[in-house]
Amino acid sequence: NAGVMQNPRHLVRRRGQEARLRCSPMKGHSHVYWYRQLPEEGLKFMVYLQKENIIDESGMPKERFSAEFPKEGPSILRIQQVVRGDSAAYFCASSTAGRGNYGYTFGSGTRLTVV
Amino acid sequence: AQTVTQSQPEMSVQEAETVTLSCTYDTSENNYYLFWYKQPPSRQMILVIRQEAYKQQNATENRFSVNFQKAAKSFSLKISDSQLGDTAMYFCAFMKHTGANSKLTFGKGITLSVRP
Repeated sequence: NAGVMQNPRHLVRRRGQEARLRCSPMKGHSHVYWYRQLPEEGLKFMVYLQKENIIDESGMPKERFSAEFPKEGPSILRIQQVVRGDSAAYFCASSTAGRGNYGYTFGSGTRLTVV
Repeated sequence: AQTVTQSQPEMSVQEAETVTLSCTYDTSENNYYLFWYKQPPSRQMILVIRQEAYKQQNATENRFSVNFQKAAKSFSLKISDSQLGDTAMYFCAFMKHTGANSKLTFGKGITLSVRP
């Protein structure tokens, strides 16, 4: 079992470009969570998705950010027209249905740098 | 809303010694879960230990144990026989008991250094 796979591990974008971050959950996991970690901060919740459904997006910025988890393929976190303040580490985690309260499995994160 | 506070930004411990990392939280919920996660330089978030709020018994996992004081809303992590591989950031986290899946609220973390 390969665990939660995130790619790319590092991503550099110029201001105004789009960033697409990918997350493949653990095999058998149908719940995906995205978190953002700013320097010297803990992780902040962004969005919780199940296959083809957004369950909780209360932590997502209202503009420029979107997430999806299609029936086939990885979950995608998309940031349009990136700004310097978007520079952070973005973590994906997954769990099975009914097991989230046992602790998710996290990926190694994508570090986004906006120049 | 829930908040998690880790007031110590960093700590240092001698190898083989014991260290305790502090965490307090604020919530109006009665049922919830508490976690400690470890983040080594590789950046991978690793679950260390988990506590269910309705259980009075403190959780233990090998060299890791917690002191859970529900009334005081305190959840400290004790690491016994510290090893060099324990050097990492440690995050305390809270999860409401709203069905089986919910979001985590993290503290700001503490940097632990284990000295040889």
